[in-house]
Amino acid sequence: DVKVTQSSRYLVKRTGEKVFLECVQDMDHENMFWYRQDPGLGLRLIYFSYDVKMKEKGDIPEGYSVSREKKERFSLILESASTNQTSMYLCASSFRGPVNEKLFFGSGTQLSVL
Amino acid sequence: DQQVKQNSPSLSVQEGRISILNCDYTNSMFDYFLWYKKYPAEGPTFLISISSIKDKNEDGRFTVFLNKSAKHLSLHIVPSQPGDSAVYFCAASARGGSNYKLTFGKGTLLTVNP
Repeated sequence: DVKVTQSSRYLVKRTGEKVFLECVQDMDHENMFWYRQDPGLGLRLIYFSYDVKMKEKGDIPEGYSVSREKKERFSLILESASTNQTSMYLCASSFRGPVNEKLFFGSGTQLSVL
Repeated sequence: DQQVKQNSPSLSVQEGRISILNCDYTNSMFDYFLWYKKYPAEGPTFLISISSIKDKNEDGRFTVFLNKSAKHLSLHIVPSQPGDSAVYFCAASARGGSNYKLTFGKGTLLTVNP
């Protein structure tokens, strides 16, 4: 079974802190994604990566950056956390190629910024 | 501008009856559609998909119908079971584009009552 592991289930941070969310997948997937889920807004794509050291902006990249130094690991960075970044963050991965829309998601990190 | 719309935030159905979840899209470039299911405290999981060259795809109790002229798809669950209670997300991608980015709807909370 594909496993996508997010390092923390819950995080509480202060406004202005630098926050790292880590994600690791064990299926040698080329593609990795960061989404956030908010009530009434569904899933919104923050950043994605098609390969090591490659990244592309999603729909809501402002206030975020990412790092992909190894194929299995994709990190989301909040440079200076703000209260409007309180959300459920979901990491996902998929193969490149046919039917790569079949994403495998982690269980999510609920981030609260106080 | 919301390109994938799920206009019903919630749906309640009796066990054994049919559940019909609806999704509309506005981007005519979308040519591949998926449904994901999400339980609380878990990441979404892939449920079923359909290519725009088809109008129906069936997998056990789950059937997705696509009406391209109306830019509408629906997910039918027959018979509905209490374990189907979850949030269902519709998603779409434009495979002819430069990437396979998924656009998600806001989700519909399905409750199946025993």
